[in-house]
Amino acid sequence: KQEVTQIPAALSVPEGENLVLNCSFTDSAIYNLQWFRQDPGKGLTSLLLIQSSQREQTSGRLNASLDKSSGRSTLYIAASQPGDSATYLCAVLNTNAGKSTFGDGTTLTVKP
Amino acid sequence: GAVVSQHPSRVICKSGTSVKIECRSLDFQATTMFWYRQFPKKSLMLMATSNEGSKATYEQGVEKDKFLINHASLTLSTLTVTSAHPEDSSFYICSARDPLHEQYFGPGTRLTVT
Repeated sequence: KQEVTQIPAALSVPEGENLVLNCSFTDSAIYNLQWFRQDPGKGLTSLLLIQSSQREQTSGRLNASLDKSSGRSTLYIAASQPGDSATYLCAVLNTNAGKSTFGDGTTLTVKP
Repeated sequence: GAVVSQHPSRVICKSGTSVKIECRSLDFQATTMFWYRQFPKKSLMLMATSNEGSKATYEQGVEKDKFLINHASLTLSTLTVTSAHPEDSSFYICSARDPLHEQYFGPGTRLTVT
């Protein structure tokens, strides 16, 4: 059974700092890995999708990496802004499963 | 990115009544849709996986007669909370998977049962 862990559970940084969020998974037989952002009381917004054959994806100030063999993914946020404050979740879709497994998320606070 | 809509965004109902929530994928055909429940400051809890044209697959502990799911077309899935009780009050979120296996979420529905 796939297990997804996100560390840390919460993170607070000053504006402008670069930061890394971590996601680890136990079963490396994955189809893809997706990073989401959730604002309080809202649905999830897809940030980046990495296919199993890819090593990284970039969108603006965000860069996500994937190391399947070690069961790890990181989300790098450059030059953080207060508007980046949200909960970030990673989700892993296994090749033999019809549903994704979500981590519990990292709640990020960027202080002005 | 792709858009998934959810309606209503907020609903208040009396105990014992039923509530229907709609989830639509607006710009792609979704063979698979998912329904989640989320409690305050908690992670997502998958309730069921909905496949177009077939019965939904419910997660362990989710009552299928309580939470009726209908995936009527490739762009529409509905969740009906039957005989709602205050403990059913929660934030319900749907998502749809596109043909490339990317998952998109609706904005959520806040259900309050009085």
